[in-house]
Formats: sequence, C-alpha cells, structure tokens
Amino acid sequence: SQQGEEDPQALSIQEGENATMNCSYKTSINNLQWYRQNSGRGLVHLILIRSNEREKHSGRLRVTLDTSKKSSSLLITASRAADTASYFCAMSERDSSYKLIFGSGTRLLVRP
Amino acid sequence: SAVISQKPSRDICQRGTSLTIQCQVDSQVTMMFWYRQQPGQSLTLIATANQGSEATYESGFVIDKFPISRPNLTFSTLTVSNMSPEDSSIYLCSVPIDREYEAFFGQGTRLTVV
Repeated sequence: SQQGEEDPQALSIQEGENATMNCSYKTSINNLQWYRQNSGRGLVHLILIRSNEREKHSGRLRVTLDTSKKSSSLLITASRAADTASYFCAMSERDSSYKLIFGSGTRLLVRP
Repeated sequence: SAVISQKPSRDICQRGTSLTIQCQVDSQVTMMFWYRQQPGQSLTLIATANQGSEATYESGFVIDKFPISRPNLTFSTLTVSNMSPEDSSIYLCSVPIDREYEAFFGQGTRLTVV
C-alpha cells in the first residue's frame, strides 16, 4: 500500500471564495473518503464516494472521482473562516478494504 | 456513529521510557486501528488491533516497539516503548463504522519525547 498525494500542500483563500483540493492515488479502491483535521486533533469524516460514483454533494462540499485517472477532488464552496483546517483524502483499497491509506494532506487557511 | 475516548490527550516523556495510550469506544467493534502522525505529516497506520488475537502490524512497525492490547470489543491500548525524540508524534485510534469502513477517530494523543 502507499500514501496518496494531495495538492496543493497549502491553500490560502479569502472568506467566501471556493477551495479546491486534489488527491491522486495508485491502487484500485472500493471508496475514497475525505477527512478534516483541526489543529492536529482527531479527524472528522466529511464525505465518502464509492468507486462506481463520479460526483457527490454534501452541503457546501462537492467531491468528484475519476477512477480512470485515479484522482479525486474536494470543492468547498463559499468558504468560511471555520473551514480553516487540514484536509486529507483516504483510500479504502480493494484488496484490504478495512484499511485506510491517507493522502499527504492540504492545509487550508480561510482569511476572514 | 461512535464516541471514542482517547487518553492521555498529551504527554511529555523522557527518552527511554514508555507510554501507554488508551482508547475506549462506546460500542462494540471488531477492529480498532492505531495511527501515527508525525509533525506536519499525514497519518500512517501502525497496526490493526483484533480482539482475541495478536495485533497485525504494518511494514516498519514491530510489536516490541508498539505493543498493543485488545482485551475486549470496546477497548485497546498502544504502548510506545523505549521512546526517543523521533517518536514525538500524534497517535490516533480509530474504528470503522459500517461496511464501507468510514472511520471515526479519537482526539489523538500528542506525544513529545525529550
């Protein structure tokens, strides 16, 4: 197994703008999940997209998945200062679905 | 969902000593996972704690360094043994909920070894 790659590593935007984070991986997956981590604390699950899905929405979050390119993106619309956090993608691999392999993370700063 | 209580939340330890981290879940779960997050890095899976059997360790992690106990379906401990400054990290336990393995995390233990 291997870690996924995310870009950008860091993102700074103004409140109200949209934030887009990208995740790439190498193996076959069952699903891909996105998590948020505030100030080095525990992770909070945001959204899950299955390998047979292409797009999913949850509130201000929009996730896309392109299994042919082995990539996913997370869009946060109308960002708020409270969205400031680190965001990680995590892959549930097909061969060992109970394990999550995490991406390298994107640090998002939303300026008020 | 699940509520996970992890203790301690943080500690500063002397090199050469050991620290045991506890993870308590409010429901019975088959698997519990332990992760390490080194400063500024992502999460790396240390091991899977299975009730009634030995933990399964990932490449690069060994039982002598990170012994794990899993006495029942709601509790697990991870010990970081013979610590060095390189062990300074956040350690997190997590449990999968539902068949798609969405994970719930404890709040983490921030360990500093001096």
